[in-house]
Amino acid sequence: DVKVTQSSRYLVKRTGEKVFLECVQDMDHENMFWYRQDPGLGLRLIYFSYDVKMKEKGDIPEGYSVSREKKERFSLILESASTNQTSMYLCASTDASGREETQYFGPGTRLLVL
Amino acid sequence: AQSVTQLDSQVPVFEEAPVELRCNYSSSVSVYLFWYVQYPNQGLQLLLKYLSGSTLVESINGFEAEFNKSQTSFHLRKPSVHISDTAEYFCAVSDTGTASKLTFGTGTRLQVTL
Repeated sequence: DVKVTQSSRYLVKRTGEKVFLECVQDMDHENMFWYRQDPGLGLRLIYFSYDVKMKEKGDIPEGYSVSREKKERFSLILESASTNQTSMYLCASTDASGREETQYFGPGTRLLVL
Repeated sequence: AQSVTQLDSQVPVFEEAPVELRCNYSSSVSVYLFWYVQYPNQGLQLLLKYLSGSTLVESINGFEAEFNKSQTSFHLRKPSVHISDTAEYFCAVSDTGTASKLTFGTGTRLQVTL
């Protein structure tokens, strides 16, 4: 079974803090993704990575950065957290072979910025 | 660029009744289509997908969806729902050229009651 884990289920931070969200997958997947999920807006892609040290902006990258130093780990960084970044953050991974095209999701991190 | 429309944000239904969750997409290129399900307090998991071949695809728990290219739709159906089907359902699309990168709809909350 593919397993995608996220470092925290719930996180409370203050405005201006630097926040790190960690995601680890155990299936040797090349592609990894960070989404945020908000009621009525569905999932929106923040950043994705198709290889170590490679990254591409998604639809809403402003206020975020990412890091992928190892294949299994993809980190989302909020450089200076703001209240409008309160949200559910979901990480996902998939292989690059094109055989199945299925994204595997972690359980999510619910972030509250005060 | 693609887009996905899920017109129904909430669908209440009685147990054992049939249900249809609607999904329409917009794309200028060939697409892959997906339905993901999110049970309460969990991440998303794949329910079913259309990549090629038969336009009618089925899940292991009785859901089915039909790819209709002329109507650009991928509606999800189940002839008889169960309480355990209560969840949020997301339709998603990716283009076959840049596969793996998904665009999600805003989700439909299916509420099954006795």
